[in-house]
Amino acid sequence: EAGVAQSPRYKIIEKRQSVAFWCNPISGHATLYWYQQILGQGPKLLIQFQNNGVVDDSQLPKDRFSAERLKGVDSTLKIQPAKLEDSAVYLCASSLYGRNTEAFFGQGTRLTVV
Amino acid sequence: GESVGLHLPTLSVQEGDNSIINCAYSNSASDYFIWYKQESGKGPQFIIDIRSNMDKRQGQRVTVLLNKTVKHLSLQIAATQPGDSAVYFCAENMGAKETSGSRLTFGEGTQLTVNP
Repeated sequence: EAGVAQSPRYKIIEKRQSVAFWCNPISGHATLYWYQQILGQGPKLLIQFQNNGVVDDSQLPKDRFSAERLKGVDSTLKIQPAKLEDSAVYLCASSLYGRNTEAFFGQGTRLTVV
Repeated sequence: GESVGLHLPTLSVQEGDNSIINCAYSNSASDYFIWYKQESGKGPQFIIDIRSNMDKRQGQRVTVLLNKTVKHLSLQIAATQPGDSAVYFCAENMGAKETSGSRLTFGEGTQLTVNP
């Protein structure tokens, strides 16, 4: 079974530029998550999709971050404009539909904002 | 060796010893917990999970214990190996709705180092 795919693996941008990350979840997984992991900390949930609908985006900085999951499969997370404090690893995860299901993570995209 | 999570974020053990990693969770209503292992440059990898109707669950070389009275979770690794060196996170499901999936909130993690 293929895992969660993310690209790119690394990205370096200047502050105030924009950037986009892509995620392809495990086939058949209805739920998709984007997490932000700052160095030395645990992952923090940014947004959660159930199929192509948003379930939870309470911790997403909506003035600069946006995410979509068209057709309920792949997802993109965008930051515009980026700030220095956005430097982190952005992790995508997916799980089967339903409560209390295991979330599988991708390898993440390491973003450095300079 | 034993850690207390946030208070002792690093744990160093000798190869072959048993390791105990502790975690205090925040929400008494959480009913699902997962332990993840994260190696450098990789995403978190599922180790074992436990539901709140259980006190203990065993896997291969790992055991998770849940104490709901004091909101405490622990991960025991038997015969720790160098390949076990990683950061270990506990996560609790704080989702309240049936359709919300697993809304996981992660602890800060414990760095486990296994010395040969």
